[in-house]
Amino acid sequence: DARVTQTPRDKVTEMGQEVTMRCQPILGHNTVFWYRQTMMQGLELLAYFRNRAPLDDSGMPKDRFSAEMPDATLATLKIQPSEPRDSAVYFCASGSSGTTFFGQGTRLTVV
Amino acid sequence: RKEVEQDPGPFNVPEGATVAFNCTYSNSASQSFFWYRQDCRKEPKLLMSVYSSGNEDGRFTAQLNRASQYISLLIRDSKLSDSATYLCVGDNQGGKLIFGQGTELSVKP
Repeated sequence: DARVTQTPRDKVTEMGQEVTMRCQPILGHNTVFWYRQTMMQGLELLAYFRNRAPLDDSGMPKDRFSAEMPDATLATLKIQPSEPRDSAVYFCASGSSGTTFFGQGTRLTVV
Repeated sequence: RKEVEQDPGPFNVPEGATVAFNCTYSNSASQSFFWYRQDCRKEPKLLMSVYSSGNEDGRFTAQLNRASQYISLLIRDSKLSDSATYLCVGDNQGGKLIFGQGTELSVKP
């Protein structure tokens, strides 16, 4: 079964530390999304890529967040420095032709 | 105002009941719509796409009303296993998926 793979599944870190989350999209999918989910805000789109080019990152705090796709098999989301308010579940999703699949998420806790 | 809005619920219904969720969207340029299902501490999964003509998948029926900019999901003969959060999703041009807050459904024996 093809699936979107995210690592790590869980991450606890101290405020001020750098956090890197990784995503391996489904092979052949040309669109990759990063979402953040919290109880208060629900699922918020942070950034998305098509054919590895960033299309929209307006949902992402630019001062501390960065998203990249160094190649077609890897997408990364970095937070530097992390803050307690960044605590959330971060989902990566990939899609093609209108069908989008989510990874299992990275549960981030910043203390 | 959020681009996609849903009643958060929770909807508490007995097994066998019919339950309907509505969702409104603000961007009239949105082309495609979907319902996703999310179980507790899991990732969202596609339940079904939504077409203007209405579409059915077993006990689930989805409908899109472009004039009123709302989407609906009807679940008939609800099962305990239908308990989850249902997310309404709009494609905000160019494949950018915008999610509603989700509607929580709890089906009781």
